[in-house]
Amino acid sequence: AQKITQTQPGMFVQEKEAVTLDCTYDTSDPSYGLFWYKQPSSGEMIFLIYQGSYDQQNATEGRYSLNFQKARKSANLVISASQLGDSAMYFCAMRDGGGTSYGKLTFGQGTILTVHP
Amino acid sequence: KAGVTQTPRYLIKTRGQQVTLSCSPISGHRSVSWYQQTPGQGLQFLFEYFSETQRNKGNFPGRFSGRQFSNSRSEMNVSTLELGDSALYLCASSLASGGTLKQYFGPGTRLTVT
Repeated sequence: AQKITQTQPGMFVQEKEAVTLDCTYDTSDPSYGLFWYKQPSSGEMIFLIYQGSYDQQNATEGRYSLNFQKARKSANLVISASQLGDSAMYFCAMRDGGGTSYGKLTFGQGTILTVHP
Repeated sequence: KAGVTQTPRYLIKTRGQQVTLSCSPISGHRSVSWYQQTPGQGLQFLFEYFSETQRNKGNFPGRFSGRQFSNSRSEMNVSTLELGDSALYLCASSLASGGTLKQYFGPGTRLTVT
């Protein structure tokens, strides 16, 4: 069965500094996708970055990068140069194409990031 | 290109009533998935529709149902509402079903059951 674990309930970072949000996953399917979403207090889930299991390079999207370590089954999100607007809940999620998990995203518990001025 | 839209954004219902939520996917997207988010259970998958067919269903009672129309718009229905159904209901769309395709979410419908 798929499982996503985010072990940091809350993280604090100073504005303009970098921060890493941890995510580990478990799946038996060799083909899967890993996602990070940001959820501000408004509730909308904002797509940040995607990493495919067969991608050779770590994904980057502007200030966001994904530190993908396949052998360790980790997919940590790195936010560089934090901004006050980055304060939100962050979810790691996985989607694979196999069996009963077909088509669905499995989410971690989330990490609340607070950026201090 | 317009994003995923959900209506209504907020809803208050009474126990025992039923409710219908609507989701319009991004133009060209044919897959629509629904998720329930609560403080206690987090984000849980309800079901996914692709080409008007339900492709997968999460572990929810039969009171939760959905459908998809030929234009890919989807509705979710909850009958005989319970207090525990109070949640944020999120809809997500992707180009096709399954695999590792990206899903984009709408703003959600916040349902309160009193």
